[in-house]
Amino acid sequence: EPEVTQTPSHQVTQMGQEVILRCVPISNHLYFYWYRQILGQKVEFLVSFYNNEISEKSEIFDDQFSVERPDGSNFTLKIRSTKLEDSAMYFCASSDRTGNTEAFFGQGTRLTVV
Amino acid sequence: QKEVEQNSGPLSVPEGAIASLNCTYSDRGSQSFFWYRQYSGKSPELIMFIYSNGDKEDGRFTAQLNKASQYVSLLIRDSQPSDSATYLCAALYNFNKFYFGSGTKLNVKP
Repeated sequence: EPEVTQTPSHQVTQMGQEVILRCVPISNHLYFYWYRQILGQKVEFLVSFYNNEISEKSEIFDDQFSVERPDGSNFTLKIRSTKLEDSAMYFCASSDRTGNTEAFFGQGTRLTVV
Repeated sequence: QKEVEQNSGPLSVPEGAIASLNCTYSDRGSQSFFWYRQYSGKSPELIMFIYSNGDKEDGRFTAQLNKASQYVSLLIRDSQPSDSATYLCAALYNFNKFYFGSGTKLNVKP
C-alpha cells in the first residue's frame, strides 16, 4: 500500500540552527500539507501546497518557515532559525485532490530543539 | 476564529458496547468533516469523512453530520480494546485547510 514517508524520524537541533524536514508524498498525489503537534496538544495546520506554490498557510507559518518541492518526489519543510517552542511532531500529508477526500499522513518527524 | 471542539474524555466503554464520540464546529463555511484515530506517539489515521447531512456507515463505524446544529459524531459499534486511542475530529475549510479538535481519548475495557 502506498504511504507517505518522512525523514528523519527524530531530529535534535540547537536553538538558532536551521533544520530541513523531508517528506516523500504518495506518488500520484498533487496536494501536500505540513502539520505539527506539540506534545499533548492538538494537530495544527501549517501549510498546504499545490502546483509548486503555497495555497494556504496558517498564522503559525511565519517567515522562519518555508516549503519546497525540489524535485518530483520530495516535499520539504525548512525552519530557518529554530526556537525552543518549535519542538513538536511534524507531520507531512498528501492527497490526490482537495475537498471531500482523505489526506494520508506520514509517520512524523519528532523535532527537539535544545 | 475557526474552532473544532471535542470533549477530551477519557470516554470508557466496555468491550462490545457502542462508543459515541462528538464534535462541534464554529464555522458554517466548513465543507467536510473527518475522523482520525491517533495512537499515542503515532500519526493520525483516517477512519472516515462525511460532507452531507445524515449518516454514513463504514463497517463498525458510523459518522453523523448535522450542519444546522454544527455537530458531527462518530459511533463505533462492537467496540474492541484495539479501538482504544484518541479520536480526532477535523473540519475542512477553503477546500485545503484542516482544523483539528484536541481529540477524545477512548478506553475500551475488556
